[in-house]
Amino acid sequence: EPEVTQTPSHQVTQMGQEVILRCVPISNHLYFYWYRQILGQKVEFLVSFYNNEISEKSEIFDDQFSVERPDGSNFTLKIRSTKLEDSAMYFCASSELRPPPTGELFFGEGSRLTVL
Amino acid sequence: KNQVEQSPQSLIILEGKNCTLQCNYTVSPFSNLRWYKQDTGRGPVSLTIMTFSENTKSNGRYTATLDADTKQSSLHITASQLSDSASYICVVSGWDTNKYGGSQGNLIFGKGTKLSVKP
Repeated sequence: EPEVTQTPSHQVTQMGQEVILRCVPISNHLYFYWYRQILGQKVEFLVSFYNNEISEKSEIFDDQFSVERPDGSNFTLKIRSTKLEDSAMYFCASSELRPPPTGELFFGEGSRLTVL
Repeated sequence: KNQVEQSPQSLIILEGKNCTLQCNYTVSPFSNLRWYKQDTGRGPVSLTIMTFSENTKSNGRYTATLDADTKQSSLHITASQLSDSASYICVVSGWDTNKYGGSQGNLIFGKGTKLSVKP
């Protein structure tokens, strides 16, 4: 069964360092997303991406964040200068159709980022 | 403000028992409601999606109900198994007005109910 894959599964970094989280969405999907989940809290939307550009982003997705689809298969989230509060699980998701209204969203297993 | 509230926050049941998880939402206009299962440290996995015209939808031992009038949904788990131990997240799709005056779709996540099934 096709799945969304994410790497690394866990990354530990020093505050101020740049981090790149990678995702390979399901191959025929057109819409891509990043979400994050701080430990013990709910899943929060960061950004959606379609047709090689950001389609929506949340207030969390400030100038230190960027996304890219460099080669037609990978979808990356870059955090330019990490802060302690960036420590979270980051989930990539993809969808064949645009949710909402009806597109099913498939999540990856997540990348746990720990900022020291 | 669009919100999704889930109850209880956590629940412990014995293996083989049934349980019902609740979700209330204030998202408007409403598009659809989803239930996800999230194992600890893993990504959410979809259980059901329901539009406003659907009252009930089943997926194996999971049955979701939706009352779009009262803006309530429930997830009923029958004959629980140890592997059902997870967080169950209610996600409501709605539409928001973006800063440009147009509408954009969004998914509003609840905080989840943490279910523990004990032997």
